[in-house]
Amino acid sequence: GENVEQHPSTLSVQEGDSAVIKCTYSDSASNYFPWYKQELGKRPQLIIDIRSNVGEKKDQRIAVTLNKTAKHFSLHITETQPEDSAVYFCAAKKGSGGSNYKLTFGKGTLLTVNP
Amino acid sequence: NAGVTQTPKFQVLKTGQSMTLQCAQDMNHEYMSWYRQDPGMGLRLIHYSVGAGITDQGEVPNGYNVSRSTTEDFPLRLLSAAPSQTSVYFCASLAGIGNEQFFGPGTRLTVL
Repeated sequence: GENVEQHPSTLSVQEGDSAVIKCTYSDSASNYFPWYKQELGKRPQLIIDIRSNVGEKKDQRIAVTLNKTAKHFSLHITETQPEDSAVYFCAAKKGSGGSNYKLTFGKGTLLTVNP
Repeated sequence: NAGVTQTPKFQVLKTGQSMTLQCAQDMNHEYMSWYRQDPGMGLRLIHYSVGAGITDQGEVPNGYNVSRSTTEDFPLRLLSAAPSQTSVYFCASLAGIGNEQFFGPGTRLTVL
């Protein structure tokens, strides 16, 4: 089955700096890669996603890049703010039908933004 | 829409007790799943369902049962609770291909 590795497990940055979280996946058939943000005591919520036919996607201060050949994708947060502090999860899944609904998650990255 | 709802929010059990964690969604999503979240372990899939009457095991199914009699509901049963099942449990639902997976608010379970 799919295996998703996520690094680093913890990341501490100063407010205003950039943060990068990286994930690798094992199944070349995976074609959908979401990123979730989980604030303390809350549920995970989708912040951005990318499909395998796209190399990069941006939404204001966050961006995701995908390298299909190397089977890795990354989350980039620019101009970090204290409210960006949370646990971030990457995930991967294949296309349609049956078990292809399943998302495989990385183990998460605790991002701390210091004022 | 209420989205994905879970009850209870908190639960304390004694070893050997059984209980059911409730999950419901009102978005007519075919796919529903249960995860447990433990420190440093991420979100691990317990069981999932691709539609009413269809369930399958995920990564960590031992000690848990599920059923899916309706599209809306996907309860998770702990047959005989063990301290190793102390965790936060999230239910989630998803519609179709590549769509956003929505999570419920979670149930924090402690087994003494």
